[in-house]
Amino acid sequence: NAGVTQTPKFQVLKTGQSMTLQCAQDMNHEYMSWYRQDPGMGLRLIHYSVGAGITDQGEVPNGYNVSRSTTEDFPLRLLSAAPSQTSVYFCASSYSRSGSYGYTFGSGTRLTVV
Amino acid sequence: SQQGEEDPQALSIQEGENATMNCSYKTSINNLQWYRQNSGRGLVHLILIRSNEREKHSGRLRVTLDTSKKSSSLLITASRAADTASYFCATDAGTGNQFYFGTGTSLTVIP
Repeated sequence: NAGVTQTPKFQVLKTGQSMTLQCAQDMNHEYMSWYRQDPGMGLRLIHYSVGAGITDQGEVPNGYNVSRSTTEDFPLRLLSAAPSQTSVYFCASSYSRSGSYGYTFGSGTRLTVV
Repeated sequence: SQQGEEDPQALSIQEGENATMNCSYKTSINNLQWYRQNSGRGLVHLILIRSNEREKHSGRLRVTLDTSKKSSSLLITASRAADTASYFCATDAGTGNQFYFGTGTSLTVIP
């Protein structure tokens, strides 16, 4: 089924560990982004990409890295996990950078850092 | 932050009633979008309204946009229990590259 696939769905990390959250879309969307969702904070933009090889920072980029080597994949790397990174992470994609056709979201990765 | 803010934070209504939620934002925009999120799930795109539009309809949804007041409203008519969810507005802050979400309105429709 066409859409945005995120893996894993759940993850527990120890402080200081690193990991990569995977995001893949099969809709040939140019624009992809990562958000984190915390209670009472809404969704905050971490990083985004307007095409393969192009990435930029959002509101809360510290502690996260991204790369976009292909149109389909946009992984999010946590360099050294901290309890403050406990959150639900969503990947989203859109046909155009202006979002004129709306965004398609993945089902999320629930991350707990202990 | 370019974040929008939804009002009210929580809304509880009886099935069949109309639900209205509002969104205010801070900067000029190209478009504004509304999304729904069911508990434990990802967000689902509902409707997009461009900055040169004042009103838009989609089924039981009606969205208005007032760029002079930097505000939008989402009206759900004849609500159903299945409409129970959180609703978010998202704006592009005029950049077209970054989309910012509000904190959401939690809607409960009581059967």
